[in-house]
Amino acid sequence: GAVVSQHPSWVICKSGTSVKIECRSLDFQATTMFWYRQFPKQSLMLMATSNEGSKATYEQGVEKDKFLINHASLTLSTLTVTSAHPEDSSFYICSAPRNIGEQFFGPGTRLTVL
Amino acid sequence: AQSVAQPEDQVNVAEGNPLTVKCTYSVSGNPYLFWYVQYPNRGLQFLLKYITGDNLVKGSYGFEAEFNKSQTSFHLKKPSALVSDSALYFCAVRLDAGNNRKLIWGLGTSLAVNP
Repeated sequence: GAVVSQHPSWVICKSGTSVKIECRSLDFQATTMFWYRQFPKQSLMLMATSNEGSKATYEQGVEKDKFLINHASLTLSTLTVTSAHPEDSSFYICSAPRNIGEQFFGPGTRLTVL
Repeated sequence: AQSVAQPEDQVNVAEGNPLTVKCTYSVSGNPYLFWYVQYPNRGLQFLLKYITGDNLVKGSYGFEAEFNKSQTSFHLKKPSALVSDSALYFCAVRLDAGNNRKLIWGLGTSLAVNP
């Protein structure tokens, strides 16, 4: 099956710093990627839709200036958490759809903000 | 409003017994329905999908799901559960219209298969 990678798999940072998370589709091109946030034992919360060549579409309640998304190419989307705070600590997951709606997920990035 | 409901936070079943994880949806139009599984410390994996055709869909790891339009349900089933099936299961739906491939997700059901 298709493979989506994320880097880093985990990151610890100080409050106030920015963290960049990369999402790559390794064997297919993805004009769209999705960024999710998952809290422990809870569902996925869609944060934004990353669109190659255009601006990301953010879900209601998600601060676009805090969670910067750049879809630089057909295989790479990045999520930058700016001025991170402890409440931003979470598990961030990206996905890329292929075929009819089927999405392939990255393994996730565990962010801990001290 | 479009929504997906997984009415059970947790399902417990003994190994070897049949299992069912429930999902109902509320959307306008024809839905595309999906089941995903998340094993501990691993990414989400696609299990199966219903697009059109036969209401009974077979997927990975021996799982299957039945699309019931009248009951707006898409329950996940397996005839004989394995301990290794213990995981978090998510139901999701996508509308078939347009190029919007965003999925609407259920809250997830934690499946525990006891030896």
